Amino acid sequence: KAGVTQTPRYLIKTRGQQVTLSCSPISGHRSVSWYQQTPGQGLQFLFEYFSETQRNKGNFPGRFSGRQFSNSRSEMNVSTLELGDSALYLCASSWGQVGTAYEQYFGPGTRLTVT
Amino acid sequence: KQEVTQIPAALSVPEGENLVLNCSFTDSAIYNLQWFRQDPGKGLTSLLLIQSSQREQTSGRLNASLDKSSGRSTLYIAASQPGDSATYLCAVRLKSGGSNYKLTFGKGTLLTVNP
Repeated sequence: KAGVTQTPRYLIKTRGQQVTLSCSPISGHRSVSWYQQTPGQGLQFLFEYFSETQRNKGNFPGRFSGRQFSNSRSEMNVSTLELGDSALYLCASSWGQVGTAYEQYFGPGTRLTVT
Repeated sequence: KQEVTQIPAALSVPEGENLVLNCSFTDSAIYNLQWFRQDPGKGLTSLLLIQSSQREQTSGRLNASLDKSSGRSTLYIAASQPGDSATYLCAVRLKSGGSNYKLTFGKGTLLTVNP
């Protein structure tokens, strides 16, 4: 069974640009969550999608948005990039919603560098 | 607001030693607790998931315990090997709904096992 895949793996963008990251969950998984990981803040929850609906959202500005498609694939978008958005963005999938007993399985991440 | 603390931040041990990693959390109303491993520049690999009703979980050389009343979990690694070198993260999933319905991560313990 294929794991969680994320594309692209590496990305370099300039301040002010926007970026879209993609995540394909494990087959059969309906929940996709996104996290930002930085050396200073560690892993922080961005948002969770389940059955194409955003179920939970972390404390990030409106520049960060996402969506989920009917096949459970998810994208996240960051507009008007800032230097502080440089991070490893991780996607995780699970069969049920995050607040249930189901384990989350993480992808390898997308390393975003903003210059 | 749930806070998760991991001590120590870094640990270096000789091969073969048994070791304990610590995780503490402020809100004891957790749904479950999960231990992850992260290799440099990679995503997270789930190691053990402990439900709030459980006291411990074991997988191979790994044993994780949970004491909800004191807000603590430990990850015990027996007979450590150089391949165990990685960052170990613990994450708690809160029981209540709304914005707390997500995983909150500690900042991790960087483990180095020296041959």
